[in-house]
Amino acid sequence: EVQLVESGGDWVQPGRSLRLSCAASGFTFEDYALHWVRQAPGKGLEWVSGITWNGHSIGFADSVKGRFTISRDNAKKSLYLHMNSLRPEDTALYYCAKSQGGVGATVDYWGQGTLVTVSS
Amino acid sequence: QSVLTQPPSASGTPGQRVTISCSGSNSNIGSNTVSWYQQIPGTAPKFLIYSDNQRPSGVPDRFSGSKSGTSASLAVSGLQSEDEADYYCSTWDDRLNGPVFGGGTKLTVL
Repeated sequence: EVQLVESGGDWVQPGRSLRLSCAASGFTFEDYALHWVRQAPGKGLEWVSGITWNGHSIGFADSVKGRFTISRDNAKKSLYLHMNSLRPEDTALYYCAKSQGGVGATVDYWGQGTLVTVSS
Repeated sequence: QSVLTQPPSASGTPGQRVTISCSGSNSNIGSNTVSWYQQIPGTAPKFLIYSDNQRPSGVPDRFSGSKSGTSASLAVSGLQSEDEADYYCSTWDDRLNGPVFGGGTKLTVL
């Protein structure tokens, strides 16, 4: 059974940094691209960033470009999102999501999310 | 403002058939396949449809997808109370080089 478990969400003040983690199991981790997708309270889904099976960034949403970076550790079956210069508008539930394959493949599994709140 | 356009709400009575539309452009729906997700409030999205009209194992055949040009649709037939949820369309966008989502449609079973 595919499982994605996010952690690292917290309440932080604007301008601070945070690192989210996603621990994966139930599939061959190194074979798939992965993504971070967020959902602000009461809003829809927004893609944040994605990474290929071998660690190359697929890209970032314009709203986080230059502030967020994405990485993965295939040996640890983990995905990370490094968030810098956080803004109140980054407040959201952040989902780790697995693709069906490589770049361009659709997302088929989602974690339960980790909540990031940015507020003074 | 979402890249893909969905109606904010849809509704139907038990047993009815309801369709939800998703409109995009040549750089997304027009050149890539469409997926659909169901999200019950307070839970993670669930994979419902992929490759425009394919159902993952375990998804009832009451759910079906279609696509024509730069628009896609999700149909739910034999509507049941447990179908009450938010539904999102998604596809890859070649110009943005990432997946894009619709704004979501809240389906209410009357």
